[in-house]
Amino acid sequence: QSVLTQPPSVSGAPGQRVTISCTGSSSNIGSGHHVNWYQQLPGTAPRLLIYGNTNRPSGVPDRFSGSKSGTSVSLAITGLQAEDEADYYCQSYDNRLSTWVFGGGTKLTVL
Amino acid sequence: EVQLLESGGGLVLPGGSLRLSCAASGFTFNNFAISWVRQAPGKGLEWVSAITSAGRTYYADSVRGRFTISRDNPNNMLYLQMDSLRAEDTAVFYCAKEDHTGTTPFIDYWGQGTLVTVSS
Repeated sequence: QSVLTQPPSVSGAPGQRVTISCTGSSSNIGSGHHVNWYQQLPGTAPRLLIYGNTNRPSGVPDRFSGSKSGTSVSLAITGLQAEDEADYYCQSYDNRLSTWVFGGGTKLTVL
Repeated sequence: EVQLLESGGGLVLPGGSLRLSCAASGFTFNNFAISWVRQAPGKGLEWVSAITSAGRTYYADSVRGRFTISRDNPNNMLYLQMDSLRAEDTAVFYCAKEDHTGTTPFIDYWGQGTLVTVSS
């Protein structure tokens, strides 16, 4: 049971928009800790996608965006492409555990 | 170009020990915190341990007392000494460089990972 809750899977057709939610609690996201998102393509190491809730590192397409509302954050992907098929993980810091925590991951399938 | 190259994984008996290494290049190693993150087969990511640029260490409850993280700044190396290994420690272990903007830390680079298998 992950401290941060993500849907196990989402799917969308090419060109569509999908969102992946990440829900925490008052000891992590709700206490103001920022959330980072990582993309893990099959058989590869994770890659930073979004940091500080909404910021994109250089090289990440602007089709990827992050937002926050209360104790939840979301990753949105617009103009879905086949190459976006991957696992996506959110990450934050938890005051109660005093450690970084990851969500359980969401598998994105491009139909 | 930032590179993180893990080594030292392999098959070990339950109760045994293993030492992972991570060779870093392409950045000023002693200026950054580094973490170990693991991923059990078919499972999600789990943060394991971190060491700050000043040498302060942090551990997940699941490994505290069994794993020891250390760094050799002059040689740009990170280590994870793993003792009393259990079957549930079986995973790919990633070396991960941290960065931050203000108070927001994040992992900006990951190694390719090294597989640790604990089995009899």
